[in-house]
Amino acid sequence: AQSVAQPEDQVNVAEGNPLTVKCTYSVSGNPYLFWYVQYPNRGLQFLLKYITGDNLVKGSYGFEAEFNKSQTSFHLKKPSALVSDSALYFCAVRDGGSSNTGKLIFGQGTTLQVKP
Amino acid sequence: DSGVTQTPKHLITATGQRVTLRCSPRSGDLSVYWYQQSLDQGLQFLIQYYNGEERAKGNILERFSAQQFPDLHSELNLSSLELGDSALYFCASSVVGRASGNTIYFGEGSWLTVV
Repeated sequence: AQSVAQPEDQVNVAEGNPLTVKCTYSVSGNPYLFWYVQYPNRGLQFLLKYITGDNLVKGSYGFEAEFNKSQTSFHLKKPSALVSDSALYFCAVRDGGSSNTGKLIFGQGTTLQVKP
Repeated sequence: DSGVTQTPKHLITATGQRVTLRCSPRSGDLSVYWYQQSLDQGLQFLIQYYNGEERAKGNILERFSAQQFPDLHSELNLSSLELGDSALYFCASSVVGRASGNTIYFGEGSWLTVV
């Protein structure tokens, strides 16, 4: 079964410092991996995705993610955090198993708190 | 703006009532997905439609139903509402209804409060 895990409920980082939000996955077949962000009282916004090719994926708002096949991880990173990055972040994988519906399977979410 | 439109944005209704949430997918997208987000359950997949046909069913209660119309918009019907149904309901859409690198875009959600 396809699954995604985000091991940290919350990540705290000081403004200007690098940030990492962790995600590990379990899939059969090709992993199509996504990161979404949810600001307070807002919808889910697409940040970036990994399909194939370069293991370092660049996305919106200066975020990037590193795909690591051997560690089955897809960690979200940013070199210098901003207070405005404070939000709820979700890692997700497309369902490509036996049913192959393509729906997104989400992790439980990680709250990022960036302090001034 | 993701291009996915959901209405209403907010609604408050009483227990036992019935509501309908509406979703217009991005132009050209054939697949529609419904998710429920609550504090204790996270993001739960409810149901998926592809070009008018049900494609996948998740943790959707029997009191809930959905459909996708010929113009590809979708409606989620919630009946006999209970306090525990209070949540944020998301609609999302994508071009295809199978695993691919195609991005799924989400609407802003419909906040349902059952009192």
